[in-house]
Amino acid sequence: EPEVTQTPSHQVTQMGQEVILRCVPISNHLYFYWYRQILGQKVEFLVSFYNNEISEKSEIFDDQFSVERPDGSNFTLKIRSTKLEDSAMYFCAPKAGRNSPLHFGNGTRLTVT
Amino acid sequence: KNEVEQSPQNLTAQEGEFITINCSYSVGISALHWLQQHPGGGIVSLFMLSSGKKKHGRLIATINIQEKHSSLHITASHPRDSAVYICAVEGGSQGNLIFGKGTKLSVKP
Repeated sequence: EPEVTQTPSHQVTQMGQEVILRCVPISNHLYFYWYRQILGQKVEFLVSFYNNEISEKSEIFDDQFSVERPDGSNFTLKIRSTKLEDSAMYFCAPKAGRNSPLHFGNGTRLTVT
Repeated sequence: KNEVEQSPQNLTAQEGEFITINCSYSVGISALHWLQQHPGGGIVSLFMLSSGKKKHGRLIATINIQEKHSSLHITASHPRDSAVYICAVEGGSQGNLIFGKGTKLSVKP
């Protein structure tokens, strides 16, 4: 079964630096979601993206975060100026249709020092 | 108050035992998901259901919409079933999930 691929698998960055997390969905995916999981905590919703625009975002998704589909396939999450509390596992989870099951990517572990 | 509550938080079983993990939610939903998270962090979707019961191999998921409750059952448990099992509900208009804290299952040989 085709996989949703996230890169990098692990990124270490210094506080204040910009990071870009990438997700390559399966070709028929139309709805895109980013979630994050701080170590030891539950998974939290960040943002949903459909038809090339944000459809919903959580209070976590502040002005430091942005998402885009730069080339119509890859789906990226950018954090402009990372903070220590951004350290977490970030999951991309696209799906084909509104009522379709989710396909989680393998995750990117972000460590901000 | 958590919108999605799971019980138990931790569960240790002997190989071969029948396992039940429970999930209760307080919001209106369009679907409920059961997910499996392995020690390395990866998440796998097990079930998506909006009514009744689904079965896949040794796994069975049920949902009672009126009672806002779902259960995940594992028959003939095996050490490879050891993982964190997460209940998540799809309640918003855009399909985003609200997650429970997960149930950590350890199956001993």
